[in-house]
Amino acid sequence: ILNVEQSPQSLHVQEGDSTNFTCSFPSSNFYALHWYRWETAKSPEALFVMTLNGDEKKKGRISATLNTKEGYSYLYIKGSQPEDSATYLCAFKNDYKLSFGAGTTVTVRA
Amino acid sequence: DVKVTQSSRYLVKRTGEKVFLECVQDMDHENMFWYRQDPGLGLRLIYFSYDVKMKEKGDIPEGYSVSREKKERFSLILESASTNQTSMYLCASSRGIGMGNTIYFGEGSWLTVV
Repeated sequence: ILNVEQSPQSLHVQEGDSTNFTCSFPSSNFYALHWYRWETAKSPEALFVMTLNGDEKKKGRISATLNTKEGYSYLYIKGSQPEDSATYLCAFKNDYKLSFGAGTTVTVRA
Repeated sequence: DVKVTQSSRYLVKRTGEKVFLECVQDMDHENMFWYRQDPGLGLRLIYFSYDVKMKEKGDIPEGYSVSREKKERFSLILESASTNQTSMYLCASSRGIGMGNTIYFGEGSWLTVV
């Protein structure tokens, strides 16, 4: 089992504030890094798939960066809204399996 | 729209029972997966299948088996349920094994073994 770590485990943010959190993964044998958003009572939903060192992806107010040499990715939420409340999972892909982190649970307070 | 359907959302079973969790995908995906989710742990891969009648063990296969008789359906079987198998089970599918292939998840099956 590959060691994929996410920090912090949870965070609370005020509506309108920006926040970010980290995913760290093994820096060797890198294929791809996935980010998923998992809202309560729903399926995890893919946000980004990142494959190249230095990649930056953006979807609305959410963006992600990737550093494969040092083995980390940041997810940023700009101007948090209550609908951003969810658990954000990252997953490291090497050969044909994904290894998931335990997630960062974000709660946005109105 | 992409759809992965887990037919049983909430189950309560007795220790020693044989349990079937069913998953169907409508995207003609080659790969299908079963994960379990426990508090404080990441999604852990139980089994996966990259073709009909093919299966591979994941990270935690003990106590489980799987069946893939048709491309769209992947079943997880608990041969003799135990209390430590109380968990949330997620089925997923993806196309091919390329680097950028997104995995699509079902909504999960909550299993309680008493």
